[in-house]
Amino acid sequence: DVKVTQSSRYLVKRTGEKVFLECVQDMDHENMFWYRQDPGLGLRLIYFSYDVKMKEKGDIPEGYSVSREKKERFSLILESASTNQTSMYLCASTSPGGSRDQPQHFGDGTRLSIL
Amino acid sequence: AQSVTQPDIHITVSEGASLELRCNYSYGATPYLFWYVQSPGQGLQLLLKYFSGDTLVQGIKGFEAEFKRSQSSFNLRKPSVHWSDAAEYFCAVAGLSGGYNKLIFGAGTRLAVHP
Repeated sequence: DVKVTQSSRYLVKRTGEKVFLECVQDMDHENMFWYRQDPGLGLRLIYFSYDVKMKEKGDIPEGYSVSREKKERFSLILESASTNQTSMYLCASTSPGGSRDQPQHFGDGTRLSIL
Repeated sequence: AQSVTQPDIHITVSEGASLELRCNYSYGATPYLFWYVQSPGQGLQLLLKYFSGDTLVQGIKGFEAEFKRSQSSFNLRKPSVHWSDAAEYFCAVAGLSGGYNKLIFGAGTRLAVHP
């Protein structure tokens, strides 16, 4: 079975801290994604990666960066956390090739609170 | 522009009643459509998908969805709702951005089930 694992379910950090959210998939997927989920807004794409060391901005990349040093791992970085980044963060991946008919597989999410 | 609209933010039904969740999309080419469900505290799970062929597609947990091109709709249905169906439901369309596969999500519909 497909498995996408996010390292933390809940995380509390302080304003100005550098925050790392980690995501690992065990399916040899090429494409990986980071979303944030807010009530009434659905899921919004922050960044995605289609290969090791490759990345593309999504719809709301400001205040975030990403790292993909290995195929199975995709990290989201909040360079200097702010309270408006308090949210649920979801990681996803798709099968090799990432064609449009392949569904994305999601992790369970990290609920991040910035105080 | 590609977009997905879920007109109903909240829906409440009684257990055993039928259910229809609405989804309208805007996409210039043949749409690849998905319905996902998110149980409380969990990631997103794929319910069903449509790419071509029969416009009525069957999914997991007894759900089905009907694609209507003339109405740009992809509504989700279930003939008899169970209490365990209480969750948030997301409709999504797979689009291409800069040559890369992306999912565009609706804002979600939160379903409550009364006993």
